[in-house]
Amino acid sequence: VQLGQSGTELKKPGASVKLSCTASGFTFTTYFFHWVRQAPGQGLEWMGIINPNGGTSYAQSFQGRVNMTSDTSTSTVYMEVSNLRSEDTAVYYCARVYYDTTHGMDVWGQGTMVIVSS
Amino acid sequence: SSELRQPPSVSVSPGQTARITCSGDVLSRQFAYWYRQKPGQAPQLLIYKDTERPSGIPERISGSSSGTTVTLTISGVQAEDEADYYCQSADSATTYKIFGGGTKLTVL
Repeated sequence: VQLGQSGTELKKPGASVKLSCTASGFTFTTYFFHWVRQAPGQGLEWMGIINPNGGTSYAQSFQGRVNMTSDTSTSTVYMEVSNLRSEDTAVYYCARVYYDTTHGMDVWGQGTMVIVSS
Repeated sequence: SSELRQPPSVSVSPGQTARITCSGDVLSRQFAYWYRQKPGQAPQLLIYKDTERPSGIPERISGSSSGTTVTLTISGVQAEDEADYYCQSADSATTYKIFGGGTKLTVL
């Protein structure tokens, strides 16, 4: 059971980045997937959640700038963040939660470092 | 907006009991979750639905809830317990998830 995330990204301000998170070892469609980020030396920040069967919910601070999608054929969820700024430099994690969403984020990806710098 | 408040740091000696609190109005209506994060690693789920332990989490780690405060208790603290601990819940109105600011547990 694991979530494998894509590698480090280096982007310029104003650019977009698309991160991937590939599930293995469990039934993809019986889980929802959160995206959580952590700026250097800071705490955890929830960004949103995607139901691979349809449906997303984004934190208010990211609405209009984040788009989460999924591909059930490859058991992969994606998150695209647009109009990047230096404050978006962070490690981005995906985490699964059972579809009833009450069991907590029980499996996490290893994280993807995104560096935004000119 | 909803907020979860944690003490920035807690220190205990090996073998003692560490208690980390998390306070917020939403906790009287929403479940709480606890995560541990060691340096350079992804968070790990310790407690879900206020008091439940996922498989593989030892019994010396427990959660409790009273009103608008939840508490993570670690008995018989070991050096390996030194980490950052985060509580998490959900905004009642929007169901957006929220995290506390985190507590650094230091084992003296």
